[in-house]
Amino acid sequence: DTGVSQDPRHKITKRGQNVTFRCDPISEHNRLYWYRQTLGQGPEFLTYFQNEAQLEKSRLLSDRFSAERPKGSFSTLEIQRTEQGDSAMYLCASSWERSGRAPPDTQYFGPGTRLTVL
Amino acid sequence: GEDVEQSLFLSVREGDSSVINCTYTDSSSTYLYWYKQEPGAGLQLLTYIFSNMDMKQDQRLTVLLNKKDKHLSLRIADTQTGDSAIYFCAESPRGGKLIFGQGTELSVKP
Repeated sequence: DTGVSQDPRHKITKRGQNVTFRCDPISEHNRLYWYRQTLGQGPEFLTYFQNEAQLEKSRLLSDRFSAERPKGSFSTLEIQRTEQGDSAMYLCASSWERSGRAPPDTQYFGPGTRLTVL
Repeated sequence: GEDVEQSLFLSVREGDSSVINCTYTDSSSTYLYWYKQEPGAGLQLLTYIFSNMDMKQDQRLTVLLNKKDKHLSLRIADTQTGDSAIYFCAESPRGGKLIFGQGTELSVKP
């Protein structure tokens, strides 16, 4: 049973460039979440998908951010025209909406992508 | 509103018990969660408690929930150096997204 994977693990970019991150959820999970974590803080919710439908977006997700999950499997998060304030760890999580060994919608996290904007 | 608060630091000696506290604001959460984060890593699910329970024990971990005061705690018995990490509590008030506290950094001294 492979866990959630994220790629790349680290990304360094210059201000103004576009970046794209990928998340592969646990295979049977139908929900996928993106969070952002800055130093010394807890993760903050950005957006989530159920299958391919994007069901909720945070106000943190400015129009420079876009997320997709085209076939209900992997997801991408793109940041356009990056700013230094976008430097953070971007975490992906997935869940299954029904109960199993854990309660329904228990979220399992990937290792994160650390973005540094110079 | 949605807000989760934790104390920022806790230091204990190896073998002692650690107690990490958390308060939350939204009483509609069905489950409350504890996650562990080691340096540079993602979050590892430690345990969870159903909102109708007062206590849950899972090996060295004990979760206490006081729903009236909206207070959650995580007790780690016989704390080891490998328990050094940041611990996050989280609520899920409407299902879907998790609302996290800012994390408690646990330091275990040998």
